Amino acid sequence: NAGVTQTPKFQVLKTGQSMTLQCAQDMNHEYMSWYRQDPGMGLRLIHYSVGAGITDQGEVPNGYNVSRSTTEDFPLRLLSAAPSQTSVYFCASSYSMGGSGSGNTIYFGEGSWLTVV
Amino acid sequence: AQKVTQAQTEISVVEKEDVTLDCVYETRDTTYYLFWYKQPPSGELVFLIRRNSFDEQNEISGRYSWNFQKSTSSFNFTITASQVVDSAVYFCALRKRGANNLFFGTGTRLTVIP
Repeated sequence: NAGVTQTPKFQVLKTGQSMTLQCAQDMNHEYMSWYRQDPGMGLRLIHYSVGAGITDQGEVPNGYNVSRSTTEDFPLRLLSAAPSQTSVYFCASSYSMGGSGSGNTIYFGEGSWLTVV
Repeated sequence: AQKVTQAQTEISVVEKEDVTLDCVYETRDTTYYLFWYKQPPSGELVFLIRRNSFDEQNEISGRYSWNFQKSTSSFNFTITASQVVDSAVYFCALRKRGANNLFFGTGTRLTVIP
């Protein structure tokens, strides 16, 4: 049972380069999202999706694109990397608005450490 | 608007001491869900507990216990007889009913000294 899988785990980019962080889940969750974690700021929501073909912006969407062509995958694209995007990125998934039980639990991937120089 | 406050930035305790991590939240919703996650030095986020707003029973799981009090909007986490393996950053988070996204506190870094 893989859960939420993120790749790569570590990446160094030069300013202006583009890249895609991959995220896949095998739990048939409708909801997927990307957060970034910065020192002293907790985790902040970048983009999210409530199902295939549906995406929306979170708290800090600028500089990132997402798409959701399948239920399983939710890649995050950095179009032109900037040093301000140096961060740890977490992908998460859950059942969408899953009632009062365990469906409400949001599960996270292991994180992707990105450095932009 | 939702807000989660973890006022303790860093805590250090000596092994076997008890320690309580504080979490205070703000929400106008009557139904919501509270979570604690652990982030060990390896970096992943590990789910610890979920609590529904309509269930104020305290919960104990081994050395871990959680005290949820709606009257003070708090959801505190106590580790009894702390161990070095408890050293981590702990996050409290809130999710509104009918919404998917989590609002996180800024985390508390716990260091257990052997």
